[in-house]
Amino acid sequence: QQQVKQSPQSLIVQKGGISIINCAYENTAFDYFPWYQQFPGKGPALLIAIRPDVSEKKEGRFTISFNKSAKQFSLHIMDSQPGDSATYFCAAINSGGSNYKLTFGKGTLLTVNP
Amino acid sequence: DAGVIQSPRHEVTEMGQEVTLRCKPISGHNSLFWYRQTMMRGLELLIYFNNNVPIDDSGMPEDRFSAKMPNASFSTLKIQPSEPRDSAVYFCASSKTGGSNQPQHFGDGTRLSIL
Repeated sequence: QQQVKQSPQSLIVQKGGISIINCAYENTAFDYFPWYQQFPGKGPALLIAIRPDVSEKKEGRFTISFNKSAKQFSLHIMDSQPGDSATYFCAAINSGGSNYKLTFGKGTLLTVNP
Repeated sequence: DAGVIQSPRHEVTEMGQEVTLRCKPISGHNSLFWYRQTMMRGLELLIYFNNNVPIDDSGMPEDRFSAKMPNASFSTLKIQPSEPRDSAVYFCASSKTGGSNQPQHFGDGTRLSIL
């Protein structure tokens, strides 16, 4: 059972464009939604995270938008750069339950062309 | 600060051999996680330790897999006997205990190939 569905699987964007990655979840007990960035040969690294009490969180060029009623959240990368080329994973966690257990989406391979 | 350190970075071995993966968590972190990453299944949590005690091993696929954490600075994941379907990238991650507010820090992984 895939509890966090991520799309698209891959994405190609021109330098300066906006990259958008979407995730949907099923478990309404999830209450913390981090995004991880993974470069080839490296482990995932926390990029940005949001709780459902806010609809948007911005850190530099990276923004998470959150729609609690639709059980969806998305990552927007503004002014995408070739250095942003990586695999991005959304994740979800239930703070009140198994609060260590990250449920990951399948990942999106982002390529930003120069 | 040193991050999570995993060894070896790459391992190629023949089916039936014993494989041992090693992890040194970040100093001061008392939660440790082992993950497996494959194209088909993505990132899967195999086992979670807190204060060196296994708390959740429900993700360990079979009895061929075992994990230990003899002290706060070292953990091993062992596969015996190994099979080709065990080929994957294995990540170790650590965090401070405290739930979702404490991000998990990943090592660079061990790429395991079982021939």
